[in-house]
Amino acid sequence: EDQVTQSPEALRLQEGESSSLNCSYTVSGLRGLFWYRQDPGKGPEFLFTLYSAGEEKEKERLKATLTKKESFLHITAPKPEDSATYLCAVTYGGSQGNLIFGKGTKLSVKP
Amino acid sequence: GAGVSQSPSNKVTEKGKDVELRCDPISGHTALYWYRQSLGQGLEFLIYFQGNSAPDKSGLPSDRFSAERTGGSVSTLTIQRTQQEDSAVYLCASSQNRGSYEQYFGPGTRLTVT
Repeated sequence: EDQVTQSPEALRLQEGESSSLNCSYTVSGLRGLFWYRQDPGKGPEFLFTLYSAGEEKEKERLKATLTKKESFLHITAPKPEDSATYLCAVTYGGSQGNLIFGKGTKLSVKP
Repeated sequence: GAGVSQSPSNKVTEKGKDVELRCDPISGHTALYWYRQSLGQGLEFLIYFQGNSAPDKSGLPSDRFSAERTGGSVSTLTIQRTQQEDSAVYLCASSQNRGSYEQYFGPGTRLTVT
C-alpha cells in the first residue's frame, strides 16, 4: 500500500480555472509534508513545507493546506506557466528524514 | 547562491559497464541524499549522508550500488555492472540537516543502459 497518494494523476485546466490537487498520506508521526514542482527534464523545485494540521502557506497563485490525513494544493486562476508536475512528499518518524514521495499530479493549463 | 549541481547531465552506457555520477551540494548543507526517479515509479530514496556519520544505505536496491561523500561535500554514486533496469534519472538533494528541513534538488543525471 502506497504511503503517499496523489490525485488526480493528471489535470487539464483552462487558464483562469481554479482547482485543487490532493495528497493523502497514511504514515504515523508526520514530521513534515512538502510540495515540489517539477518541470520536464529538471529536478524538483521546493514550494512549501507544512508541519501541523491546520497550517496554510501561500505563494503567488498557490496555497497549500494540511489536515491530519491529507494536504491540498489550491491553484487560483492558473496560467500556462503553472503547467508542471506537482509532487507531494512526507517525512515521518519511520523515514528518519528521507522523503517519501507520491507519484505526482501532472497539471496542464491551456490558454 | 549556487544550487545543487550534478554531472553528467546525461549518461549512456552499455549493459555490464560501471558508471559514476557526481553531486555537488549547496555549500554549508550537511545532509545529502540520492534518489532515483523511474518512469511511472516516482522518486525513491537510495542513500543518505549526514556529516561524518555512517551513511544510511537502506534504500540501495542491490550491492551493485554504492556511494561515498568526500570531505563532507561532493558525493559520488557508483553503479557497477549496470543493468537495463538501472535506467532512470538519478537525483541528488541537500538540506541544512536531517529531519524536517526542506531538501533542495539538483537537475539530475539521466542514465540510459543499452
